[in-house]
Amino acid sequence: GNSVTQMEGPVTLSEEAFLTINCTYTATGYPSLFWYVQYPGEGLQLLLKATKADDKGSNKGFEATYRKETTSFHLEKGSVQVSDSAVYFCALSDQYSGAGSYQLTFGKGTKLSVIP
Amino acid sequence: EAGVAQSPRYKIIEKRQSVAFWCNPISGHATLYWYQQILGQGPKLLIQFQNNGVVDDSQLPKDRFSAERLKGVDSTLKIQPAKLEDSAVYLCASSLRGSTVDTQYFGPGTRLTVL
Repeated sequence: GNSVTQMEGPVTLSEEAFLTINCTYTATGYPSLFWYVQYPGEGLQLLLKATKADDKGSNKGFEATYRKETTSFHLEKGSVQVSDSAVYFCALSDQYSGAGSYQLTFGKGTKLSVIP
Repeated sequence: EAGVAQSPRYKIIEKRQSVAFWCNPISGHATLYWYQQILGQGPKLLIQFQNNGVVDDSQLPKDRFSAERLKGVDSTLKIQPAKLEDSAVYLCASSLRGSTVDTQYFGPGTRLTVL
């Protein structure tokens, strides 16, 4: 079956530090890959996505590259801000559920705290 | 564009009671999902609708959970009777077609506490 493994948190960084959150996956087909972010008290929001190998998703200074050879989709940001404090979820969409629909499989999430 | 709406935002009940959650997806989205997110874990899919039909409910505890999507728009998720282990955030999401490249848009969730 499909699965997503993320680095365990919590991760605490100082403002302007470099961020990497590792994500690797197992899938039976050719998945699309996503990073979702959950700010305190809010719902999940799409941060970025990549739909095929070697694609790079980017948004708000965050980047992730779809690496099929290493089955990875690591999230990076060059300089984090206090406002980036949130829980980050890696996910893949691959499992066919019928009627033309696919499902997301999520990792457990990584909590990031950025201190001034 | 209005996002996915959910209500209530918080609910506290005692075990063996029943509870219902409501979701209104983004207009025009054919696919609707209900997830359960237990503290410290990623969301787990409970049920997926395509228009008003169920396409996957394999992870729904059908002895106590039920869901429906009337007229292919709004949806309700019910738990009856609730157990302590049902304490979680229940997330509703919708997507345009449910394809592998589609983005799922999530509502704010309903935080359920079962005492």
